[in-house]
Amino acid sequence: DAEITQSPRHKITETGRQVTLACHQTWNHNNMFWYRQDLGHGLRLIHYSYGVQDTNKGEVSDGYSVSRSNTEDLPLTLESAASSQTSVYFCASRKDEQNTEAFFGQGTRLTVV
Amino acid sequence: RKEVEQDPGPFNVPEGATVAFNCTYSNSASQSFFWYRQDCRKEPKLLMSVYSSGNEDGRFTAQLNRASQYISLLIRDSKLSDSATYLCAVNELYGGYNKLIFGAGTRLAVHP
Repeated sequence: DAEITQSPRHKITETGRQVTLACHQTWNHNNMFWYRQDLGHGLRLIHYSYGVQDTNKGEVSDGYSVSRSNTEDLPLTLESAASSQTSVYFCASRKDEQNTEAFFGQGTRLTVV
Repeated sequence: RKEVEQDPGPFNVPEGATVAFNCTYSNSASQSFFWYRQDCRKEPKLLMSVYSSGNEDGRFTAQLNRASQYISLLIRDSKLSDSATYLCAVNELYGGYNKLIFGAGTRLAVHP
């Protein structure tokens, strides 16, 4: 069965370190998204990609970057982790059709100390 | 103004109650709408899409009001297992590509 997986599921890192969160999907979807979820804010879009070599900034992109070298993967990098980036991160993928469902990974709980 | 807004709740209701959630959106050009369910510490999962004419799936009914730019979710005969956070999502078109924007979610707690 097709799926979308994130790793690691939990991570603790120190302020200033570079961190990369992995997202891998086997749906063969062109569209992939990274969200962060914080209490009171819901899911906020960090970055998204509509295909290989395409990346776009979302509403909360500062301090984050993504790259899309193949269809299956969209890694999210925190260039220099800050305590404000402590959050739960969800990756999602979706067909590029407006009526279609987005499938989410199980989330990565990141703590920056 | 946020693009998609929801009452955060929590809604505390007894089993068997009927409860309704609303979600407003700001982009009048939005065409597709969804309700997702999220259990504690889990990923969101699609509950149902929202169609123009309204649609029903068992105890769940979704409605769309384009004139007032809101969607609603009605849950009848609430069960303990309905306790979760309900997120509304709106599809927006940017430069020919689709993007899903989520509300902050409404928390529902069903008690015996």
